[in-house]
Amino acid sequence: DQQVKQNSPSLSVQEGRISILNCDYTNSMFDYFLWYKKYPAEGPTFLISISSIKDKNEDGRFTVFLNKSAKHLSLHIVPSQPGDSAVYFCAASVTNSGGSNYKLTFGKGTLLTVNP
Amino acid sequence: EPEVTQTPSHQVTQMGQEVILRCVPISNHLYFYWYRQILGQKVEFLVSFYNNEISEKSEIFDDQFSVERPDGSNFTLKIRSTKLEDSAMYFCASSAGQAYGYTFGSGTRLTVV
Repeated sequence: DQQVKQNSPSLSVQEGRISILNCDYTNSMFDYFLWYKKYPAEGPTFLISISSIKDKNEDGRFTVFLNKSAKHLSLHIVPSQPGDSAVYFCAASVTNSGGSNYKLTFGKGTLLTVNP
Repeated sequence: EPEVTQTPSHQVTQMGQEVILRCVPISNHLYFYWYRQILGQKVEFLVSFYNNEISEKSEIFDDQFSVERPDGSNFTLKIRSTKLEDSAMYFCASSAGQAYGYTFGSGTRLTVV
């Protein structure tokens, strides 16, 4: 049961252009969404997150957009840099009654390649 | 920047043997997790741990798996009798709370032969 889907296994963009990574989810209980970046032989690194009460969150070159009605979120990277080349994972969680302890459900990831 | 440290980075074990994967979470974090990633597949949740007990576990986390926080700094994952299908990258993570996201370790690559 794929509750979080990243339908594009790979994406290639030119340096300086925009990278748009997409993610869809099926579980309407998810209320917190995160993007992680992963290099080979390393653990996932937190990039940016968004709560379901917002539709946009921005941090430097990274912006996450959330469309709750479509159960869709996207990560925009502008401008893209060669060092951004990595696997990007979308993840989602349901806040439990404790409000802080939660598990993440990951998508399969999208390999982003930024060409110089 | 604080890190989650995992040891060993790579472990090879024979099928049926016990393995212990070790993690040192970030010192002021209260929530601890194990995830795994089988080669080519997605990262999957195994177990979460808070206040010295398991708070949630997945169907993967059967009786062969256990977790422990023996001394207030280490967080271990034990697999009692390894199977070939346990071969994966195992990631430890810790968190201070949802708003802060997780911090993952670099992982332990477990190879069961």
